[in-house]
Amino acid sequence: DAGVTQSPTHLIKTRGQQVTLRCSPKSGHDTVSWYQQALGQGPQFIFQYYEEEERQRGNFPDRFSGHQFPNYSSELNVNALLLGDSALYLCASSLAQGAVGELFFGEGSRLTVL
Amino acid sequence: AQSVTQLGSHVSVSEGALVLLRCNYSSSVPPYLFWYVQYPNQGLQLLLKYTSAATLVKGINGFEAEFKKSETSFHLTKPSAHMSDAAEYFCAVSDRGYSTLTFGKGTMLLVSP
Repeated sequence: DAGVTQSPTHLIKTRGQQVTLRCSPKSGHDTVSWYQQALGQGPQFIFQYYEEEERQRGNFPDRFSGHQFPNYSSELNVNALLLGDSALYLCASSLAQGAVGELFFGEGSRLTVL
Repeated sequence: AQSVTQLGSHVSVSEGALVLLRCNYSSSVPPYLFWYVQYPNQGLQLLLKYTSAATLVKGINGFEAEFKKSETSFHLTKPSAHMSDAAEYFCAVSDRGYSTLTFGKGTMLLVSP
């Protein structure tokens, strides 16, 4: 049973560029959440997708957007990259009707903005 | 707004010693509380959770945590540290809503032989 898979694992971009990160949830999971983990910090909630809709959003600007596909996989898009966007981006999947807070995390996509 | 505070960005113990990682929470409603562990170059893994049942919660790998409402604490303990416990540990709180978690800044556990 494959867990949460994310791609790419590492990428380097320059300021002003756009990036797309991808996530496939754990088999059977229907909800995908994205978190940003800056160096030395805990993960911060970006947004959550369920039934192809953004269900909740954290305190992130509109430059951060996402999408969920019918197969439950998800993308995170960041436009107009800033140096401060450099971080590990974590995808977490869960069941909408599952136990609260029981998230399964991928290994993350490490974004470096130069 | 909910939040958690983890005291100590780094904790060092010797193998076989007691592990104590501290977490205090702030919440206007009875919280759900969690401990997650992150090994190097890996994603986070759920260690244990408190959801208002028993106040002493047992998790994987011999870890446990006790919910103390009077102290607004949810400290993580393990009687005897192993080298394999070296990792970063995150305390988190949920609003009981849509499984969105608010994490602390993490505590790096270092275990020496």
